[in-house]
Amino acid sequence: EAGVVQSPRYKIIEKKQPVAFWCNPISGHNTLYWYLQNLGQGPELLIRYENEEAVDDSQLPKDRFSAERLKGVDSTLKIQPAELGDSAVYLCASSAGTRDTGELFFGEGSRLTVL
Amino acid sequence: GDSVTQMEGPVTLSEEAFLTINCTYTATGYPSLFWYVQYPGEGLQLLLKATKADDKGSNKGFEATYRKETTSFHLEKGSVQVSDSAVYFCALTDSWGKLQFGAGTQVVVTP
Repeated sequence: EAGVVQSPRYKIIEKKQPVAFWCNPISGHNTLYWYLQNLGQGPELLIRYENEEAVDDSQLPKDRFSAERLKGVDSTLKIQPAELGDSAVYLCASSAGTRDTGELFFGEGSRLTVL
Repeated sequence: GDSVTQMEGPVTLSEEAFLTINCTYTATGYPSLFWYVQYPGEGLQLLLKATKADDKGSNKGFEATYRKETTSFHLEKGSVQVSDSAVYFCALTDSWGKLQFGAGTQVVVTP
């Protein structure tokens, strides 16, 4: 069974440029998460989807970040424009069902460097 | 709010040594507790969990017991291998059901 797939694995951009990350969750997983992981810290939730609905986006900086999960399967996270402080690893995760059990399956992450 | 505090790393030890990673939590309710592990170049994966007081989670030789009286969930392994080198994250589900992670503890096991 394929795991959570993310792309790109690495992205280097200059500040003020846009960037997008893509995630394909495990087949059949209704819930999808985007996390931010800064160096030396634990992941922090940005947004959580149940099917195509964003049920928790309270930590998403909406002035520059946006996300979508149009068909309730794969998802895209966008930053526009990127700032130096956005350099981090962006993690996607998925879980079965809609009740948050804490049992998440993570992708390998997309490492963003903003110059 | 609910939070997790775990010991700072790196923790460096020799193969076959005993490993303990301390984790304490602060929570208003009765959270479920987790240990996740991130091996080099891989995504985080669930190592073990416990959902109520006195529960013991175990997997791959690792164990952790949910201690409500000391608000702790320390991770232990009796004899580590080089392949256990990774970053270990303690986590809980808060009152909103959201997974909250600690900062992670890097473990380095040398031959």
